[in-house]
Amino acid sequence: EAGVAQSPRYKIIEKRQSVAFWCNPISGHATLYWYQQILGQGPKLLIQFQNNGVVDDSQLPKDRFSAERLKGVDSTLKIQPAKLEDSAVYLCASSQQENTEAFFGQGTRLTVV
Amino acid sequence: AQSVTQLDSQVPVFEEAPVELRCNYSSSVSVYLFWYVQYPNQGLQLLLKYLSGSTLVKGINGFEAEFNKSQTSFHLRKPSVHISDTAEYFCAVSRVQGAQKLVFGQGTRLTINP
Repeated sequence: EAGVAQSPRYKIIEKRQSVAFWCNPISGHATLYWYQQILGQGPKLLIQFQNNGVVDDSQLPKDRFSAERLKGVDSTLKIQPAKLEDSAVYLCASSQQENTEAFFGQGTRLTVV
Repeated sequence: AQSVTQLDSQVPVFEEAPVELRCNYSSSVSVYLFWYVQYPNQGLQLLLKYLSGSTLVKGINGFEAEFNKSQTSFHLRKPSVHISDTAEYFCAVSRVQGAQKLVFGQGTRLTINP
C-alpha cells in the first residue's frame, strides 16, 4: 500500500514570497490533515479535511495560509506571503476516518530567509 | 479542549537499559491515546494506540504503554533499548466523539548511549 506522498521535500524561499505544498493521501482515506512542526516542538494542526470539506481550521493563519482539497483526494497548502516564523516542517497525514490511526508523509521542510 | 504534557524533553539512557517516557493528558471527555516515533528527517510513525479494552497496549519495536485513567497518564516503556531507538517520541490524544482533532505533546528526544 502506497503511503502519504508529499512534495517538495525541501524548499527555501525569501520572506514575502509565496510557496505551495502538495499532498497525496493514501487511497480511500477520507480524512486529511496538515500539521506545522517547528523545530523542537510537537506538530500543530493547521487544517483538517473530511473528504473535501473543512472540519477544523481554527489554528490556520488565514491572512496568509490557505488550503484546498481537490475532489476530496489531493490537497495543497499555500503560504502567501511567507514570514521568517513560517520556517518549519509541514506534515500531511491521512486516516480512513476521523478517529482512526493517522498515517504521515515525510514532510516538507520550509526555510524562509 | 484536550492537551498533552510530555514531562521530559530529553531522556538519555544506555543501550540495553530499560526506559520510560512519560505522558500526561488533560480532557473532560473520553479520549483515544497514541504514541508516535519520528526518526531524523522522517515523518511520524505510529508505535501504538489505545482505543478501548485492555489498558496495557503493546506496539511495534518492543514498546508498550499503559493507560491509567485515574492518573490521566499514558507512559511508554521498553525493557531493553537499542541504538536504533534513538528518535523523537510524541504522545498524542484525540476525542472519542465530536471533532477528533489529534493533539500532540512537545516530544521527548530519546538518546541511546553505547
